[in-house]
Amino acid sequence: GNSVTQMEGPVTLSEEAFLTINCTYTATGYPSLFWYVQYPGEGLQLLLKATKADDKGSNKGFEATYRKETTSFHLEKGSVQVSDSAVYFCALSDRGGGFKTIFGAGTRLFVKA
Amino acid sequence: DAGVTQSPTHLIKTRGQQVTLRCSPKSGHDTVSWYQQALGQGPQFIFQYYEEEERQRGNFPDRFSGHQFPNYSSELNVNALLLGDSALYLCASSSKWTSSWEQYFGPGTRLTVT
Repeated sequence: GNSVTQMEGPVTLSEEAFLTINCTYTATGYPSLFWYVQYPGEGLQLLLKATKADDKGSNKGFEATYRKETTSFHLEKGSVQVSDSAVYFCALSDRGGGFKTIFGAGTRLFVKA
Repeated sequence: DAGVTQSPTHLIKTRGQQVTLRCSPKSGHDTVSWYQQALGQGPQFIFQYYEEEERQRGNFPDRFSGHQFPNYSSELNVNALLLGDSALYLCASSSKWTSSWEQYFGPGTRLTVT
């Protein structure tokens, strides 16, 4: 079945550092890929998405490129801020799953001033 | 345009009791899914409703049941609550017309079982 694996956290960075959170997936079809962010005590917010190979999703300085050859969708940001401290979830959804979203375990990011 | 709404926001129940959580989907959406997010973990799929029927189910016991109404809103019922049912319960809505297979999530209901 479909699955998502993302790097374990927590990840601790200083403000303005470069961020990479690795994510790989397993899927039998052609899934859409997502990154969600969850701030403390809140629900899930969609951060960015990509629907086909080589698509780049971007939002608020975050980027991720859908790499079918490596089945990856790594999240990057060039300069993190304290306000980026949150838990980030990589996820996929596809036609075979019928809108069921499969999530990774989440990566907690701490950004120090 | 209102997004996905859930009620209540927080809930405290005792072991053995029953609970009902409610969800209203985003306008124009006809499919509702429920997820359980335990502390420190990713959301886990419980089940999905479309046209008032359960279409898919994750690995959850029969104590978890649901319903979808003609206006597409949905309820999640949990019977005989266990301490392990304490979690954030997320509702998500979608439409077959959405090509990206994207679900829109509500803010969640935090259930605490004591």
